[in-house]
Amino acid sequence: AQSVAQPEDQVNVAEGNPLTVKCTYSVSGNPYLFWYVQYPNRGLQFLLKYITGDNLVKGSYGFEAEFNKSQTSFHLKKPSALVSDSALYFCAVRDTSSGTYQYIFGTGTRLKVLA
Amino acid sequence: DVKVTQSSRYLVKRTGEKVFLECVQDMDHENMFWYRQDPGLGLRLIYFSYDVKMKEKGDIPEGYSVSREKKERFSLILESASTNQTSMYLCASSFRALRGTDTQYFGPGTRLTVL
Repeated sequence: AQSVAQPEDQVNVAEGNPLTVKCTYSVSGNPYLFWYVQYPNRGLQFLLKYITGDNLVKGSYGFEAEFNKSQTSFHLKKPSALVSDSALYFCAVRDTSSGTYQYIFGTGTRLKVLA
Repeated sequence: DVKVTQSSRYLVKRTGEKVFLECVQDMDHENMFWYRQDPGLGLRLIYFSYDVKMKEKGDIPEGYSVSREKKERFSLILESASTNQTSMYLCASSFRALRGTDTQYFGPGTRLTVL
């Protein structure tokens, strides 16, 4: 069965420092991987996705993520955090062998960037 | 810009009431989704639809039904609301790209409280 794990409920980082939000996945086929962000009182917004090709994917607001097949991970990164990056981040996976449109979402990681 | 709107931001209903949550998208997307979001559980798929009058069950369809009579509108119905359906409900839509690669666009959410 497909699954995705975000091992950290919360990540705290000082403004200006690099940040990493972790995501690991389990699928039987090849994965399509996504990151979404949710700001307070708003719906989810798309950040980036990995479909195929270059393992390093660049997305909105200076975020990037690296697909690592051997470690089944897709960690979200940013070189220099901003206070405005504080939000709830969700990783999601689709199993290309499943034949459905369904995403499987992680439980979310709350990022707090401290001034 | 894609716009997904939901009929209410906040809703308070009583146990046993029939509840309608409406979602409208303006980008001619084929796919539409209903999720509920609960702390520590992430997003869980209730139902989705990949065409008018088509629907498929997600992971937690019990106690819910849906209706898609027009392409732009996807309704979630709680036939007899219960307190365990108190949650944040998120609607999403996506273009029917190569299966699994499409990005989902989310509405702002409806926070439903059932007393």
